[in-house]
Amino acid sequence: ETGVTQSPTHLIKTRGQQVTLRCSSQSGHNTVSWYQQALGQGPQFIFQYYREEENGRGNFPPRFSGLQFPNYSSELNVNALELDDSALYLCASSPLAGGNNEQFFGPGTRLTVL
Amino acid sequence: GESVGLHLPTLSVQEGDNSIINCAYSNSASDYFIWYKQESGKGPQFIIDIRSNMDKRQGQRVTVLLNKTVKHLSLQIAATQPGDSAVYFCAENGGTDSWGKLQFGAGTQVVVTP
Repeated sequence: ETGVTQSPTHLIKTRGQQVTLRCSSQSGHNTVSWYQQALGQGPQFIFQYYREEENGRGNFPPRFSGLQFPNYSSELNVNALELDDSALYLCASSPLAGGNNEQFFGPGTRLTVL
Repeated sequence: GESVGLHLPTLSVQEGDNSIINCAYSNSASDYFIWYKQESGKGPQFIIDIRSNMDKRQGQRVTVLLNKTVKHLSLQIAATQPGDSAVYFCAENGGTDSWGKLQFGAGTQVVVTP
């Protein structure tokens, strides 16, 4: 186990709704990254948070937003849900920002959009 | 855009044999690479990483080889065990300006047979 926790484990929403996913980083880690993993594919980078600010973003629309709190935990918010948003959402924490460090993944939140 | 890809979607290996999983990358700016193992219903688990100033790195029963000339990465698993059955992903960082983004390949399913 990595020490990264996510909640909830599973979630079912309908198209057009909004969802908030939560992540607690591993102790001592100040950087949190979010990934979307569609069924049968590799994870796709959404964005990273470092010191409570967005520190890089992948090719996702603005309706995907996030927050990081002083204790380094993080939230991923998705507005106006679409069917294609159905996926496993993974949170990963790392001890430093940037791309040269191991990222430790949580178990993910399985989101189903109907 | 540049991406990470895998040659084989499924690899069937007999228990006790060695496994080799291959990965091609095309982003010449990438200088950090990671192999992850993902079991069903779980988040990716770190296996081993390698930086671009190295050609080979060994861990417990695993070896990663990096060939920068042909942009190729491989993961060797010695004496494959039933617990090694999982999907394996290679990931690259896209260079130090990537802001923590890891680019994953599609994954290789490893099936260990008795």
